[in-house]
Amino acid sequence: DIQMTQSPAFVSASVGDSVTITCRASQNIRSWLAWYQQKPGKAPKLLINAASSLQSGVPSRFSGSGSGTDFTLTISSLQPDDFATYYCQQANSFPLTFGGGTRVDIK
Amino acid sequence: EEQLVESGGGLVKPGGSLRLSCAASGFPLSRYSMNWVRQAPGKGLEWVSFISSRSDYIYYADSVKGRFTASRDNAKNSVFLQMDSLRAEDTATYFCARDEGDNWFGPWGQGTLVAVSS
Repeated sequence: DIQMTQSPAFVSASVGDSVTITCRASQNIRSWLAWYQQKPGKAPKLLINAASSLQSGVPSRFSGSGSGTDFTLTISSLQPDDFATYYCQQANSFPLTFGGGTRVDIK
Repeated sequence: EEQLVESGGGLVKPGGSLRLSCAASGFPLSRYSMNWVRQAPGKGLEWVSFISSRSDYIYYADSVKGRFTASRDNAKNSVFLQMDSLRAEDTATYFCARDEGDNWFGPWGQGTLVAVSS
């Protein structure tokens, strides 16, 4: 199974800050990576697929990069609506696996 | 509007069974593979099962293999998850999610809570 390791687990930031979340795969997954945002009590929402392809309607302050084993999600100017938990997910092979999540909190 | 609505969750004793349903509207379910993903209280996301559009490919996480069975009825725009031999560690909110063609998850349902406890 492919293990997905996210870091940090928790980040405290202010509105306007830039935040970067890292996701590392235990083996090469090429660009088969997605990022999701989840708010408390809600279902996750797909933000980015294929490592860097922004979903329709997702603000351009979100961006993804990477390939192979190392990936990043960057939020360029944090907005109040962005405080949530973020998960990466590998789509390279079954079983599909998620990272442990990164909670972004208000400083 | 594309929508997924799960139902069938509840409280069940260890060793018991439940059948979850996921009803789709606003899009032709028959064109899409579907997934089940769960989230234990206060924990992260865990993929559970994948079923292809015509049910010719079905995959499971090792943690549920042999106990859970995914199925679908495209004529009724629904997918199902039969859960048998339930354990305390199966306690979670179960989400159905549409596969966007490359094994990432587009629209999700709101989730249904399964609690396994004596």
